[in-house]
This record gives sequence, structure tokens and C-alpha cells, in this order.
Amino acid sequence: AQKVTQAQTEISVVEKEDVTLDCVYETRDTTYYLFWYKQPPSGELVFLIRRNSFDEQNEISGRYSWNFQKSTSSFNFTITASQVVDSAVYFCALSERYTGRRALTFGSGTRLQVQP
Amino acid sequence: DSGVTQTPKHLITATGQRVTLRCSPRSGDLSVYWYQQSLDQGLQFLIQYYNGEERAKGNILERFSAQQFPDLHSELNLSSLELGDSALYFCASSESTGGGTDTQYFGPGTRLTVL
Repeated sequence: AQKVTQAQTEISVVEKEDVTLDCVYETRDTTYYLFWYKQPPSGELVFLIRRNSFDEQNEISGRYSWNFQKSTSSFNFTITASQVVDSAVYFCALSERYTGRRALTFGSGTRLQVQP
Repeated sequence: DSGVTQTPKHLITATGQRVTLRCSPRSGDLSVYWYQQSLDQGLQFLIQYYNGEERAKGNILERFSAQQFPDLHSELNLSSLELGDSALYFCASSESTGGGTDTQYFGPGTRLTVL
């Protein structure tokens, strides 16, 4: 069965520090998709990135970067030079192409607090 | 703004009651998903509709039901409410049938409080 593990429950950093949020997944499907979503204090879920299992290239978007490593089943998220506005709960999620689990399976989330 | 709308934003009701949550997907999206976010269970998938037909079921209780209408909006009906049903209910939409080939965009959620 599919599973997403975010072992870090809460991380606290000071502004301008770099921070990495870990995500480890389990799946038996050969084709799958990984996502990161951000949930700020206001409560909505904001899509950040989607990565398919065939594409192991790392991605950078501004201060955000993602490291996908199939060999370790990990899809980690790094925020460079963190800012107070980055304070939120971040969720990693997985969906599968062929084994029927097309909806998202979420990890338990990592709460990031960025102190000024 | 994701383009997915949900009403109402907040709902307070009593045990045993029935409520209806409404969702309008992004323009052009055919799939609607419902998720429940609670403190003890985290974010859990409830049910998916695609173009009016039920597509997938997750951990949805028998007391809960949903439907998607011809105009593609969806409603989630929760009945015989219990204290444990208090949660944030999200609707998400995507272009096609899901499976990760398209991205799910989430609405702002409806916070349900059962007293």
C-alpha cells in the first residue's frame, strides 16, 4: 500500500536560515507522482510542485528547491534563506497511476516556524 | 486563489444533524475530490467524482454521501453527525481523472464544528 512519511513534526528556524523538509514514500506502482502542498495559518492548501517518477531532475523555483531520489524513495524540499511568510504546515503527497490509488495520500505534515 | 470555491466557510451544528457542503471546481475541471482534515487522522481522501460519476472511494463513512451535478459542482452530505466529524473538509478539482497526471487544486475548505 502507498504511504508517505514526514518524520519531522515541527521545525523552528530563524529568518534567513536554510531548511530542508524530509519526505519518504512507499509505493508498489511503477508510475507515481509526488506533490508538495503548503498550508499557511489561513488554512487553505496551496499547490507547490508535482514530480513524476520518471523525472529525477531536481527543481528550483526561486528560494524553493526539491530533491527527488528514487533510490531512497525520498522527495525532500529545501527553502533557502527562509522568511517569516514561509511559516506554514507543509505536506508531501503521493498518487499512483496504475494501482488504483489516484487520489492523494498525504503525509502527516511538517510545521515550519520561521522566527524573525 | 485556486479557482475552487467552497461554501459555507464555517458550519456549526449539533450531534445528530445533517449538513451539506458545496464545492464548485475550477473552470474546465471535470474531477472533484473531497478530503477530510482532522487532528487525529490528518488529511484523508473521502471520495472522487469525474464528470458526474463516482470514480473512487476512500475512507468515507456510510453516513456521508456525495454527488456531482451536471454543472460539475459537487455536494458532500454528512448525516447523523457525531462529535468526531468535526474537521476541515476540503474540495479539490483537477482536469481529468487524476492518477497524478494532473494536479489537484484545493478550495479554501469548510470548517465543520459539531457540538
